[in-house]
Amino acid sequence: GQNIDQPTEMTATEGAIVQINCTYQTSGFNGLFWYQQHAGEAPTFLSYNVLDGLEEKGRFSSFLSRSKGYSYLLLKELQMKDSASYLCAVKDSNYQLIWGAGTKLIIKP
Amino acid sequence: DGGITQSPKYLFRKEGQNVTLSCEQNLNHDAMYWYRQDPGQGLRLIYYSQIVNDFQKGDIAEGYSVSREKKESFPLTVTSAQKNPTAFYLCASSPTETGTENTGELFFGEGSRLTVL
Repeated sequence: GQNIDQPTEMTATEGAIVQINCTYQTSGFNGLFWYQQHAGEAPTFLSYNVLDGLEEKGRFSSFLSRSKGYSYLLLKELQMKDSASYLCAVKDSNYQLIWGAGTKLIIKP
Repeated sequence: DGGITQSPKYLFRKEGQNVTLSCEQNLNHDAMYWYRQDPGQGLRLIYYSQIVNDFQKGDIAEGYSVSREKKESFPLTVTSAQKNPTAFYLCASSPTETGTENTGELFFGEGSRLTVL
């Protein structure tokens, strides 16, 4: 079966750095997405990786290793507004998105 | 502004009633999707449509129905056959993936929260 694994919950301190991991086992791979979702709201796009390596976008970076079936989202200079769930999704060989359950990130002052 | 509009945002339904959730987009996207989100679970695909007048079942289509008569609109009906319909429903759209610059990123509506009483 297809599977995406993320930690259920993480806690970090304002101003610090946090890394959210995502491992996947899917039938084929055509890209990996990270989305941010605040409670009760719709997910919003953060990043897309299709080749190995690091993609940096401001305070957020996303890394992909296809051989390891692994990605992480790195958030720097954490702000209180970064408290949200972070969803990892992989596009499989049929170009269908497989979603992880999300990681709830709690930021403490 | 371009975007996706879902309505209603909150909906209460009695058991045995059908309800229809609206989803409209003005992004000129070909593909549209309906997802269901339950606490502690990933998004699960109900139905999707890649072109007008055509749609496909997702992983959890039982108890749901859709139509795609216009490019802009993809309404979802939650029927009385759906055994556990209380959930957060998300509609999304994406452009057709052509070329190397189009990632197929999904654009989401704000969601509709359905509660069965």
